[in-house]
Amino acid sequence: LAKTTQPISMDSYEGQEVNITCSHNNIATNDYITWYQQFPSQGPRFIIQGYKTKVTNEVASLFIPADRKSSTLSLPRVSLSDTAVYYCLVGDPYGQNFVFGPGTRLSVLP
Amino acid sequence: DTEVTQTPKHLVMGMTNKKSLKCEQHMGHRAMYWYKQKAKKPPELMFVYSYEKLSINESVPSRFSPECPNSSLLNLHLHALQPEDSALYLCASSQDKAGGRVGEQFFGPGTRLTVL
Repeated sequence: LAKTTQPISMDSYEGQEVNITCSHNNIATNDYITWYQQFPSQGPRFIIQGYKTKVTNEVASLFIPADRKSSTLSLPRVSLSDTAVYYCLVGDPYGQNFVFGPGTRLSVLP
Repeated sequence: DTEVTQTPKHLVMGMTNKKSLKCEQHMGHRAMYWYKQKAKKPPELMFVYSYEKLSINESVPSRFSPECPNSSLLNLHLHALQPEDSALYLCASSQDKAGGRVGEQFFGPGTRLTVL
């Protein structure tokens, strides 16, 4: 299973764009990259998933370079309610076995 | 219905007790998961059921015993736990095959377990 590394914590201000990078140097051919958000005392919630290049949905964008050894989650114009822990996962979804990365604790300040 | 429910929300038990955690989903998902999460740590995978069969057991001690009575229900039976087993226990489900977002897991709110 690909091991991931992420910054332990990040601070931002309301209205700013936040980019969180995840490193996964030994990602396998079949692996997808998935990001989850978790608030205290709640289960994680899916944010976005990608395999290569760029993926965008209503809440975030995911940038994956050609070598796929890293990925960047981009949150546009964050608000206080985006304060949470963000996890990067790399794994083969058909194998049903994902390993959560260490997580990045994002604090959005007013 | 895109919800995974877990009961109870909180559980306090002694080391000699036997208790069970329950998880339910009605999204037609065929894969269900148990995770353990300690404070300020990421969730750790414990068990995976695929089509009601145990497909992954991450070397979990036998004092944790999973059960999948049907495709909507997942139980975790607890017996002779230790204080270090105190944690948030999360259940999740996902579609087994592509259809929508591949591998997307839907998590329940968790059961906060305290072992005295």
